[in-house]
Amino acid sequence: GDSVTQMEGPVTLSEEAFLTINCTYTATGYPSLFWYVQYPGEGLQLLLKATKADDKGSNKGFEATYRKETTSFHLEKGSVQVSDSAVYFCALSVTSGTYKYIFGTGTRLKVLA
Amino acid sequence: DADVTQTPRNRITKTGKRIMLECSQTKGHDRMYWYRQDPGLGLRLIYYSFDVKDINKGEISDGYSVSRQAQAKFSLSLESAIPNQTALYFCATSAVTDTQYFGPGTRLTVL
Repeated sequence: GDSVTQMEGPVTLSEEAFLTINCTYTATGYPSLFWYVQYPGEGLQLLLKATKADDKGSNKGFEATYRKETTSFHLEKGSVQVSDSAVYFCALSVTSGTYKYIFGTGTRLKVLA
Repeated sequence: DADVTQTPRNRITKTGKRIMLECSQTKGHDRMYWYRQDPGLGLRLIYYSFDVKDINKGEISDGYSVSRQAQAKFSLSLESAIPNQTALYFCATSAVTDTQYFGPGTRLTVL
């Protein structure tokens, strides 16, 4: 069935380090892919998205590229800040047949000053 | 003001009690969703509604029911709460573009 797998956390980095959070998916049809971020005590908010193969989503210095050949959508940022500390969720949506919106289990990022 | 609001924000109840969680939105979206979040499991879809007359079960609908009272309101009920329904519950809305907008969550504890 359709699923999203993302790397286990927590991920702990020093400020200005390079960030990668891996996400791979399994889906029938042509899913849209998303990264959401959840700050403490808040709901999720969209960070970026891509709707077709080879699209690159970007926002606030974060990027992810929709790779159909490797079924991946890895999140990257060149230089993290303490304010990036949060939980990051990869997600997909498919609308062929039954509608599905599936989230990964989340990866907690902690950035140290 | 927040676009998606949830009430209550926190609730402690006992096994067997009926509980209703409410969600309101001012974004004008037709689509609304209820999720639960559990540590290590991410978010799981309970129910979703694409318009006022449309209600659909999600991945984990057993033990829950919903009501779409208006375009802006979508409530989730636990008819007889049990301890394994202790979780963080989120309401979300979207337009056809599929980006979801989440409320702040309701923390429910069932004793």
